[in-house]
Amino acid sequence: EAGVAQSPRYKIIEKRQSVAFWCNPISGHATLYWYQQILGQGPKLLIQFQNNGVVDDSQLPKDRFSAERLKGVDSTLKIQPAKLEDSAVYLCASSLQSGRDQPQHFGDGTRLSIL
Amino acid sequence: KQEVTQIPAALSVPEGENLVLNCSFTDSAIYNLQWFRQDPGKGLTSLLLIQSSQREQTSGRLNASLDKSSGRSTLYIAASQPGDSATYLCAYTSGTYKYIFGTGTRLKVLA
Repeated sequence: EAGVAQSPRYKIIEKRQSVAFWCNPISGHATLYWYQQILGQGPKLLIQFQNNGVVDDSQLPKDRFSAERLKGVDSTLKIQPAKLEDSAVYLCASSLQSGRDQPQHFGDGTRLSIL
Repeated sequence: KQEVTQIPAALSVPEGENLVLNCSFTDSAIYNLQWFRQDPGKGLTSLLLIQSSQREQTSGRLNASLDKSSGRSTLYIAASQPGDSATYLCAYTSGTYKYIFGTGTRLKVLA
């Protein structure tokens, strides 16, 4: 089965610019996650979708970050305007359903550098 | 506050050595704990998952143990190989579905 696809792989922008990342989960997976991984740290959950609804966005900086999953499949994560501290790898993951026993499958991430 | 600490932060060993990676957590009500592998520029690959009712899990050369009372988990790698070089992350879930990740141990196995 095809894995979680993310694009672009790398993005370099200047601060205050906007950027968007795209994620295509494994076919049939209802749950989609976006994580932020700052260099030298573990991933931190930003937002979780169940189909096209938001389950948890408590750690999403909503003044600048937004995410959507309009048709319950692909998802986009946007940052506007970007700050220097947003430099990180953004990982998308998906699972068949939500729940603590559900294995999450990760994409390779988008590495964002803010100049 | 939910925290996960992984020691050591980095480790370099000669090929063939057995090694232990450590993970400690502050939350006593964990539901499960998982060990992941992350290769440079890649996402996370799940290695082993231990339910809170279990004490250990094994897969090939890997063995993970869980001691809830002391807030510790260890990942044992037997007969290490250069292909084992990667960052190893532990993460747990508790009252919610969220994974709380450690900062990882960077392992390098020298040929």
